[in-house]
Amino acid sequence: DVLMTQTPVSLPVSLGGQVSISCRSSQSLVHSDGNTYLHWYLQKPGQSPQLLIYRVSNRFSGVPDRFSGSGSGTDFTLKISRVEPEDLGVYYCLQSTHFPLTFGSGTKLEIK
Amino acid sequence: QIQLVQSGPELKKPGESVKISCKASGYTFTDYAMHWVKQAPGKGLKWMGWINTYTGKPTYADDFKGRFVFSLEASASTANLQISNLKNEDTATYFCAPYNSGYGFAYWGQGTLVTVSS
Repeated sequence: DVLMTQTPVSLPVSLGGQVSISCRSSQSLVHSDGNTYLHWYLQKPGQSPQLLIYRVSNRFSGVPDRFSGSGSGTDFTLKISRVEPEDLGVYYCLQSTHFPLTFGSGTKLEIK
Repeated sequence: QIQLVQSGPELKKPGESVKISCKASGYTFTDYAMHWVKQAPGKGLKWMGWINTYTGKPTYADDFKGRFVFSLEASASTANLQISNLKNEDTATYFCAPYNSGYGFAYWGQGTLVTVSS
């Protein structure tokens, strides 16, 4: 199974600040079709996860441009700029290149 | 718009069974495989497997082989998850989500909390 190592576990931030979350995979996430199936989700308390970024760097419909994804191969980053109160929650990366699908362990974004 | 509506919370005793439903609307049900994800209280997300909504063939992650069954009521655009011989460690919220190869899991059900307690 592909191990997704997500850091940090907890991320204190000041409103208006900028943060980065790292997700590293134990093997390359480049699919044989040439795509990299690494996605980012935010789960707010008591809610279902919501898609932020798909295939490394594509913002999903309605996601503010304060969110950006980057990376390649085994090393990926989610950046959030100008953090707002609605951004608080737990962020997860997900790889769907290989079966079984695997999630990162989560990063809790909280107010400093 | 795409919606996934799951059945309500369940309280069960160890050894009992439970069936959770996930009704999809707003898209052609058979176009996307339905996946299931488990989230134990205070824990992260764990992928359970998926069911081909066109053929009905299920595929289970290793930790979910044996007591877990994915099924369909395709005419009703509904996917089901049945768990038999419930154990305390099955206490969790279970989510359904159709998989789109372009977007991954763009839409999720609201989750169904299953509590197993004697």
